[in-house]
Amino acid sequence: ELKVEQNPLFLSMQEGKNYTIYCNYSTTSDRLYWYRQDPGKSLESLFVLLSNGAVKQEGRLMASLDTKARLSTLHITAAVHDLSATYFCAVDMENTGTASKLTFGTGTRLQVTL
Amino acid sequence: NAGVTQTPKFQVLKTGQSMTLQCAQDMNHEYMSWYRQDPGMGLRLIHYSVGAGITDQGEVPNGYNVSRSTTEDFPLRLLSAAPSQTSVYFCASSLGRPNSPLHFGNGTRLTVT
Repeated sequence: ELKVEQNPLFLSMQEGKNYTIYCNYSTTSDRLYWYRQDPGKSLESLFVLLSNGAVKQEGRLMASLDTKARLSTLHITAAVHDLSATYFCAVDMENTGTASKLTFGTGTRLQVTL
Repeated sequence: NAGVTQTPKFQVLKTGQSMTLQCAQDMNHEYMSWYRQDPGMGLRLIHYSVGAGITDQGEVPNGYNVSRSTTEDFPLRLLSAAPSQTSVYFCASSLGRPNSPLHFGNGTRLTVT
C-alpha cells in the first residue's frame, strides 16, 4: 500500500521557536511537493523537490528531500503567527514524472502562539 | 487570471440525488484532477485526466464519473449521492511537468443528508 505519513499531526509552538515537520513515504520516488492550507481555504504550493538532496527555502521555511531514506522535512525557523496553517506533503508515488497522481499525507496542523 | 474555478462553493444533496461539480481552468494545463478532503485523511485522488478525451481512476473512484471533452473543463458527476460522499472536493490542474505543482480551486463543500 502506498503511504505518506506526516508527523506530528498537530504542532503548537511559540513565536520565535524552531521546529521540523517530517514526511515519510513508502516507495521510491524523487518527486515531492509541499502545500499550505489556511482554514477553510484552498491549497497553495510551497515547494517542489525533484531530486535526492534537494533543498528549497522561502522565508522562514526550508524543505529538503532524502530519497534514500524516503523522507522529506519542512523546517520552520523563528516561527511567526502568520505561519499558522495546515501543511501537507504529497508524493508522486508512481513516478509518473508529473503531479497528476499525487498521494497526500494527512497534514500537520501548525499553531503558532504569541 | 482566474486559475482554477469550481462551482458551486456549497451544496446540500439528499441521498440518491445526482449532481455535477464544475471545474474550469484557464491556464491551458493538460493535467486535471479531482480530490476529496476528509478530516484526518488528507486529500485522496478520485479521478484524473492527462488531456482532453483521456481520464483514469484514482484511489477512491466509486460513485463518481468524469469526462474531459475540452482542455479547460473537467466536471465531476455524483451518480447517486450517499452520506459517505459528504466531503470537501478540490479540483486541481498542472502543466504535467515534474517541476509544475498542482494548482487548486477553492473547493466545493458537499453535504449529503
